[in-house]
Amino acid sequence: EAQVTQNPRYLITVTGKKLTVTCSQNMNHEYMSWYRQDPGLGLRQIYYSMNVEVTDKGDVPEGYKVSRKEKRNFPLILESPSPNQTSLYFCASSSPGPIPLPLHFGNGTRLTVT
Amino acid sequence: GNSVTQMEGPVTLSEEAFLTINCTYTATGYPSLFWYVQYPGEGLQLLLKATKADDKGSNKGFEATYRKETTSFHLEKGSVQVSDSAVYFCALSDFGGTALIFGKGTTLSVSS
Repeated sequence: EAQVTQNPRYLITVTGKKLTVTCSQNMNHEYMSWYRQDPGLGLRQIYYSMNVEVTDKGDVPEGYKVSRKEKRNFPLILESPSPNQTSLYFCASSSPGPIPLPLHFGNGTRLTVT
Repeated sequence: GNSVTQMEGPVTLSEEAFLTINCTYTATGYPSLFWYVQYPGEGLQLLLKATKADDKGSNKGFEATYRKETTSFHLEKGSVQVSDSAVYFCALSDFGGTALIFGKGTTLSVSS
């Protein structure tokens, strides 16, 4: 089954404790992206990757890091989480082209930073 | 810059009522337009799309027409069901864009 898998689904942590949210897709997609969803703000892009070893900032990259060492994986790293990073996070993937193809989303990771 | 504006929710309807969720956009060039749906506890799923002016996207009884003259992409359904209760997002993507620009989402609640 074609899917984007995020782990964990729920995570509660404390300020400053480094964490990683994993994302993996089995569709051989070149493009992967991370979004955060906050009430009243909709979805905002954090980082994206057009292919292996190619990453770039989205609209709200501060406080986050990513890596793309393999095509299927695109982990999101919070080196020193803060309470304002409490949010619902989504990973997504697609195959880019002249007309962008629809994004496939994971089921989300709800992060709480205390 | 590019942006998407959709109507504030929540929208509360009775089963079999007619649904309209308004969406307007600002963009340079000729973006592709999308509606995504998010059911409780799940990620977003593509509901329908349109890639050029006057295109009509449709799926599961939902429709939206790409209106360049009014920069709109309103979502409609003739008869909603309880199972349609979800959050609906309008989004756009430029030619070769590296991100979808989302509206803030509209929560739909349908009661029987």
